[in-house]
This record gives sequence, structure tokens and C-alpha cells, in this order.
Amino acid sequence: NAGVTQTPKFQVLKTGQSMTLQCAQDMNHEYMSWYRQDPGMGLRLIHYSVGAGITDQGEVPNGYNVSRSTTEDFPLRLLSAAPSQTSVYFCASSYSFGTGVFGYTFGSGTRLTVV
Amino acid sequence: QKEVEQDPGPLSVPEGAIVSLNCTYSNSAFQYFMWYRQYSRKGPELLMYTYSSGNKEDGRFTAQVDKSSKYISLFIRDSQPSDSATYLCAMTPNAGGTSYGKLTFGQGTILTVHP
Repeated sequence: NAGVTQTPKFQVLKTGQSMTLQCAQDMNHEYMSWYRQDPGMGLRLIHYSVGAGITDQGEVPNGYNVSRSTTEDFPLRLLSAAPSQTSVYFCASSYSFGTGVFGYTFGSGTRLTVV
Repeated sequence: QKEVEQDPGPLSVPEGAIVSLNCTYSNSAFQYFMWYRQYSRKGPELLMYTYSSGNKEDGRFTAQVDKSSKYISLFIRDSQPSDSATYLCAMTPNAGGTSYGKLTFGQGTILTVHP
């Protein structure tokens, strides 16, 4: 089925470990983003990309890296996990407005716990 | 102060009630306004979007934007238990270019519709 696929769904890390959250979309969307969702905070933008090879920082980028080598994939790397990074992470993708289709499609999320 | 403020609730209403969900914002550059619905342990899904001021209706849902007051609303008529979810407002200055990647979300309102 077409959509945004995130893996893994759940992950427990120890402080200081690194890992990559995977995100793939098969809708040929130009725009892709990573958000984290914490209780009472809504969704906060970590990094986003407007196309392959182009990325930029969002509201809370510290401790995270991204790259966009293909249109389909947008992995999020945690460099050295900290308990403050315990959260639910969502990847999202969208067409550009010029296609007439508006709004982001979200994946089902990765629940990360850092102990 | 957050750029987008949303009452987190929780809001509990009987089936058939009219529900009003609201967000206020401070950034006058916002022009595109969205409402997302998020069921428990799922990713957000786009419910409606509007451009600039005015109303938009889709079935039992009506979205209103008052840019002069920096206030947006989502009304749900004849609410159903299946409407029980978290509702998030989101907004962005443009629907294209780099700023489209930067959606700013409210904290989300938890809605329960009981039979």
C-alpha cells in the first residue's frame, strides 16, 4: 500500500548509543519531514527536506542528523542518545503545492525510549 | 509564548453534540491552516485545510479562519464516538518553497465522544 513507512515501531536505547530511524515513502513526494511528539507539546519539527540533496533544520534539530540521497528515503540519525530524546517520532511527506494536492501524510510513528 | 496555542482539553461530549475546537496564533505570516486528527497510537491524518480567512465545510466538519483575530476553529456537528481522537491544528506561511516544510502545530485537543 502507498504511504509513509517508518521502522522500527519501537526501540529502547541506552544513553550514548546511536541509531537510525528509517522513513520511506512511495508516493514520489518532494517534501519530507521529521517531527517528535511529546505530551503537551504537540508536534515539533526536527529536520525537513524539500527534495533530494536538500535538507534544513527545524525547531529542535540538536542531537539529530538527516540526509536525503533519494526521493524515497529520509533517515533520521540520533548521534548519542539522551533521555531527553525519549519521544514518539513521526516522519511525514507531501507533494509540492503546485500539484494541487495539499497536506502532509504521516507515518505511524517510532516510539523511542532512552534509558 | 508559543506561536500556536491550543487548549489541550480533555474535552468530553455526548454523542450528537456540536464540538468546537480552537487555536490562536501570533505569527501574522501564517496563511495556510490545517486540522489533523490523530487516533491513539497512530500518525496524524489531514482532516481539512483552508487558505487565508473564511469558512470551509466538509460533511459534518467546518473549518473557520479569522486572520484579523488570529483565531481558527474546527466545528464538528452531530459528533460520533468514532470522532474520539486528538485534534491538532497546524499552519504555515506558504504552500510552496522552503517554508512549506515548516508546519507549526498546536498542542492538540483530546476529544472523547461518549454514546
